[in-house]
Amino acid sequence: EIVLTQSPGTLSVSPGERATLSCRASQSVSNTYLTWYQQKAGQAPRLLMYGISIRATGIPGRFSGSGSGTDFTLTISRLEPEDYAVYYCQQYDRSLITFGQGTRLEMK
Amino acid sequence: QVQLQESGPGLVKPSQTLSLTCTVSGGSINSGGYYWSWIRQSSGEGLEWIGYIHNSGRTYNSPSLKSRVTLSVDTSKNQFSLKLYSVSAADTAVYYCARYDSSGYYYVGFDYWGPGTLVTVSS
Repeated sequence: EIVLTQSPGTLSVSPGERATLSCRASQSVSNTYLTWYQQKAGQAPRLLMYGISIRATGIPGRFSGSGSGTDFTLTISRLEPEDYAVYYCQQYDRSLITFGQGTRLEMK
Repeated sequence: QVQLQESGPGLVKPSQTLSLTCTVSGGSINSGGYYWSWIRQSSGEGLEWIGYIHNSGRTYNSPSLKSRVTLSVDTSKNQFSLKLYSVSAADTAVYYCARYDSSGYYYVGFDYWGPGTLVTVSS
């Protein structure tokens, strides 16, 4: 199965600044099968982006995704207070799903 | 608006079977292109995919849990279920049901989630 490794484990960024989160795969992931989620404390995860760079419904434009092959990035251009959360990447490969271990984005 | 809701015992004894049901409302479980899924999260940990089932009955499970998991679907009740056998304390977690959207060119991912239910394994 494909292992996803997210870095850093915790990222401290000030409001209004840019945050860059990384997701690295142990094997190449199809660009149609890479998804990002946001999870706030006590809540279910929320779909954020799919197909590497397509924002889900209602997701603001400050969120963007990029990458290909084994290296993917989620960027939040100007952090708002509501963006502080844990972010997970997830991939699909031959009917099996794996998640990264998550990056905690905290306020600096 | 599709909604999912988990239900089942919050406490299970070690070595017994964990059984959860997810009820889907606002949409049909018979809709094509979707897989009905279970995901869990231990306290302070990340997300772990357990498996999913199509309305046809086709299932796919995580290799790490495969031998202990049975998924089923009841289209007449718009529900799907999870059974996890021979549980231990390591299976204590919040269990989520979710819909996996693979209906288009892009596999969107888990687009609708239940609120989650905490299951504790303890004697």
